[in-house]
Amino acid sequence: NAGVTQTPKFQVLKTGQSMTLQCAQDMNHNSMYWYRQDPGMGLRLIYYSASEGTTDKGEVPNGYNVSRLNKREFSLRLESAAPSQTSVYFCAIDPGQGYEQYFGPGTRLTVT
Amino acid sequence: EDQVTQSPEALRLQEGESSSLNCSYTVSGLRGLFWYRQDPGKGPEFLFTLYSAGEEKEKERLKATLTKKESFLHITAPKPEDSATYLCAVQSGGGADGLTFGKGTHLIIQP
Repeated sequence: NAGVTQTPKFQVLKTGQSMTLQCAQDMNHNSMYWYRQDPGMGLRLIYYSASEGTTDKGEVPNGYNVSRLNKREFSLRLESAAPSQTSVYFCAIDPGQGYEQYFGPGTRLTVT
Repeated sequence: EDQVTQSPEALRLQEGESSSLNCSYTVSGLRGLFWYRQDPGKGPEFLFTLYSAGEEKEKERLKATLTKKESFLHITAPKPEDSATYLCAVQSGGGADGLTFGKGTHLIIQP
């Protein structure tokens, strides 16, 4: 998965619980992204980070926060999980060569 | 707002039966059009980037082409291992830096 690792691989939460999804890259690429993938819908951008210390909202940011404390890691936090956040979450990087992005293996989250 | 529509939603072919997947798009200034392959339970795997109308890219049994309104992924003499969901995405010059994806085409190749 192009040097992108995500933890955990699976998680079950109860409504109202909080958790942080972790993403790390083994290269020094500037741009990192969080997407969610739901059945019958394309991947949708939640947040992205063009460089260390900067973050911007994507298409579906409500209910999420992100943190880019260093160049390697980009975390996604759910402060109060809702069933609508049940999804598969993918982290991606852009090596800055041709706009394509490379994806991690995903975190499968279920909120009951 | 960027939009990507893929067709068909699902396609079942016999091994060796060639076909094409379609990706129609509307963007404000295309930076790139991307094709990905996604296997069940895995993250999308990058296949091709196309930048301008008339461009073509090939990899094994796959060939991607681009016009000003759509892209095709041609699959020649497919094998069962080509079974996967194929995703099309675009990036435009305006707005957020992420990719806009279509819903994908689920391709099944029967032996």
